Amino acid sequence: DGGITQSPKYLFRKEGQNVTLSCEQNLNHDAMYWYRQDPGQGLRLIYYSQIVNDFQKGDIAEGYSVSREKKESFPLTVTSAQKNPTAFYLCASSIGPSRGGPKNIQYFGAGTRLSVL
Amino acid sequence: EDQVTQSPEALRLQEGESSSLNCSYTVSGLRGLFWYRQDPGKGPEFLFTLYSAGEEKEKERLKATLTKKESFLHITAPKPEDSATYLCAATVPGQPLIIQGAQKLVFGQGTRLTINP
Repeated sequence: DGGITQSPKYLFRKEGQNVTLSCEQNLNHDAMYWYRQDPGQGLRLIYYSQIVNDFQKGDIAEGYSVSREKKESFPLTVTSAQKNPTAFYLCASSIGPSRGGPKNIQYFGAGTRLSVL
Repeated sequence: EDQVTQSPEALRLQEGESSSLNCSYTVSGLRGLFWYRQDPGKGPEFLFTLYSAGEEKEKERLKATLTKKESFLHITAPKPEDSATYLCAATVPGQPLIIQGAQKLVFGQGTRLTINP
């Protein structure tokens, strides 16, 4: 089955620690995204990537870093500089209109809930 | 500033009681309007995308409509399994556009729908 896999489902971070959230997709999508969801707020874009080895900051990139070394993978690192990391993190991907099919639809993984110890 | 606002924040209905959820948007260069369903602790599930005013899409008990300023998600004769948070999002051009594969989504805060049996 094609889809987006996020791991782990739950993650705990200690003070001063960097943690990495995994996102893998087997949909052959070019674009991938990371969002943060807080209670009562809409999803906010952290980073996005349109192609391998390229990524762009979203609206709330401070304290986060990403890499895109493979088309299938887009890991997110929450660094110690992110002072309020507790949230639900969602990874998404989209095919893009240049490759045909329904354009711009973003499909989401099941999420990772990050908490601070 | 691009903005998407959903109302009401929460809605409680009896089974079979039809109603509508509202999504108003102020975005420049709207490329598409998306509706997602999100169950607790899970990632959003794609429902509909609308691209031009006057467009309508239907799926089972749900129908989405679009005007130049807002979108409605109509739910007809809902069942308890329709209980979820419904998210609305508008697509605006991402920067930079390399292959037009990544498009920024601006999300509303969601409407939490509860259907009582």
